[in-house]
Amino acid sequence: KAGVTQTPRYLIKTRGQQVTLSCSPISGHRSVSWYQQTPGQGLQFLFEYFSETQRNKGNFPGRFSGRQFSNSRSEMNVSTLELGDSALYLCASSPTGTGAVPETQYFGPGTRLLVL
Amino acid sequence: AQSVAQPEDQVNVAEGNPLTVKCTYSVSGNPYLFWYVQYPNRGLQFLLKYITGDNLVKGSYGFEAEFNKSQTSFHLKKPSALVSDSALYFCAVRVLIGGYQKVTFGTGTKLQVIP
Repeated sequence: KAGVTQTPRYLIKTRGQQVTLSCSPISGHRSVSWYQQTPGQGLQFLFEYFSETQRNKGNFPGRFSGRQFSNSRSEMNVSTLELGDSALYLCASSPTGTGAVPETQYFGPGTRLLVL
Repeated sequence: AQSVAQPEDQVNVAEGNPLTVKCTYSVSGNPYLFWYVQYPNRGLQFLLKYITGDNLVKGSYGFEAEFNKSQTSFHLKKPSALVSDSALYFCAVRVLIGGYQKVTFGTGTKLQVIP
């Protein structure tokens, strides 16, 4: 099976712009989670989608939003970019993210966003 | 609320020596614990997980981890370190909340294996 793919891999934007990142999960996986990784804050959970619904959300401002399509692909959008949004954005997928047996999350390579 | 602590920001070890990367956790209920590795400019790669059963879990690339319930620890170990093991290591705990699984990551430990 192909792994989790993320596009684009690198992105440079300026303050005030908006950006959309894309994530394609492993085939058959329906749960998609997004994380922001920065040197100062580490890995921070953004949100999780399952069956086109946001099921869980981290502590990020409303400028950060996402959606999931019927084929489980997910997009993340950041509006009105700030310098502090520069980070590696990671997407992870798992089969369902539910049930008593914990599932392993599989990560994509990430999108490196630089805000100037 | 669950939490994960990786007390060392960096661990240095000589090639060929055993290595240990520490992780402690705090959860209510059964802990499900994971280790991931991240190489520069890459995503996280799954190494191993503990669900139940044997306290010693074996994973990829010769790594293993020991679950210790009384000490609430899940330390990552390898008998003989390789230079190629140099990377960032994350411990994570996954719990079931409201019917779905929530994961919390530690802050990461940078492992430097010195030739």
